[in-house]
Amino acid sequence: DADVTQTPRNRITKTGKRIMLECSQTKGHDRMYWYRQDPGLGLRLIYYSFDVKDINKGEISDGYSVSRQAQAKFSLSLESAIPNQTALYFCATSEPYRLGSGAHPVDTQYFGPGTRLTVL
Amino acid sequence: SQQGEEDPQALSIQEGENATMNCSYKTSINNLQWYRQNSGRGLVHLILIRSNEREKHSGRLRVTLDTSKKSSSLLITASRAADTASYFCATDRHDKVIFGPGTSLSVIP
Repeated sequence: DADVTQTPRNRITKTGKRIMLECSQTKGHDRMYWYRQDPGLGLRLIYYSFDVKDINKGEISDGYSVSRQAQAKFSLSLESAIPNQTALYFCATSEPYRLGSGAHPVDTQYFGPGTRLTVL
Repeated sequence: SQQGEEDPQALSIQEGENATMNCSYKTSINNLQWYRQNSGRGLVHLILIRSNEREKHSGRLRVTLDTSKKSSSLLITASRAADTASYFCATDRHDKVIFGPGTSLSVIP
């Protein structure tokens, strides 16, 4: 089974609708992230959470909200969807580790399969 | 602005040839990672290079890092059609990982 799962995988909705995308992980990581991907723009960070009580805005949080229901679950909501929120959305998890004493932590991210969202 | 940017944006080669992708970044880093994304799928971590390393190998992958030029390159040797994907560099910045826009690689059989 996949370590990071996202539901739904595809969603078509209309302008103004409220949408929730869900992410679950079995990796036991504290850190979770939501990104959106648009052609030619790479990945842009929407929100991130370093533990259940910690939620932070990323570079493009306007129009989005999140909820960290448990260590394993991090959901993304679009309160009132608009067409320019049409994109591929990815959830990711990470757990920084050190390669040696005194070394700066490495933060390797593990991604879910993505949700393709279309807002008409 | 993005911390890392890949070059070229798109690359098309014949199977068996080597593919080289470059990443430039703006501020100092502790680590640089390369990820791969198959079409429409999630990114998968390929290789990590630390700021005190100059070269790393993993199978057909070779990564170099030049901190004086703030650049890294990913070389895929003896490419295969299955290497067709987008490749992203990622740098650490202020406790977050920042991804570049990616290089789209097409390997023609």
